[in-house]
Amino acid sequence: LAKTTQPISMDSYEGQEVNITCSHNNIATNDYITWYQQFPSQGPRFIIQGYKTKVTNEVASLFIPADRKSSTLSLPRVSLSDTAVYYCLVDYSGNTGKLIFGQGTTLQVKP
Amino acid sequence: NAGVTQTPKFRVLKTGQSMTLLCAQDMNHEYMYWYRQDPGMGLRLIHYSVGEGTTAKGEVPDGYNVSRLKKQNFLLGLESAAPSQTSVYFCASSWSGITDTQYFGPGTRLTVL
Repeated sequence: LAKTTQPISMDSYEGQEVNITCSHNNIATNDYITWYQQFPSQGPRFIIQGYKTKVTNEVASLFIPADRKSSTLSLPRVSLSDTAVYYCLVDYSGNTGKLIFGQGTTLQVKP
Repeated sequence: NAGVTQTPKFRVLKTGQSMTLLCAQDMNHEYMYWYRQDPGMGLRLIHYSVGEGTTAKGEVPDGYNVSRLKKQNFLLGLESAAPSQTSVYFCASSWSGITDTQYFGPGTRLTVL
């Protein structure tokens, strides 16, 4: 059974690095992992996507170990504006529409 | 460039009533999606479309129907609304492929009494 699991909530302080892990133990060889950010009363917004090893863009990094059963979103030096819900999305079964979101991780950044 | 828009923003229905949610995108995307978001459950895919005239079932399709008569529009219908369909509904679109970056609309909050 395909399932995407994340911690429900995390707290951090401004300037710290935050790592949010997503578990997806039924992931297949060709399945991608995507992370989205959502603010209240808005739709989710794309952060980063990866397939294996490490991906970095201007806002985050995504680490995917060799077994691909989990992945970690890393947000460097968070600020108060990073307070949001972060979702992990996995496309199981390679491009056949089995898109499973995690339940979301509420990140609270404190001053 | 409005991106993805959804109509209406809010709606209250009585059990058994029907309604249609409209999603429109102006990015010429091939793929469009409908999700529902419930507390503690993240987003769940209802139906999606890989192009004009096509539709496919997602994770939770029961009680919903969809149509994609025009490339830029994706309609979600509830034929006989039930309280269990109270949720926030999000539409999204992507350029090509399920794994492509999805662009989401602002959501429609639906309450079924």
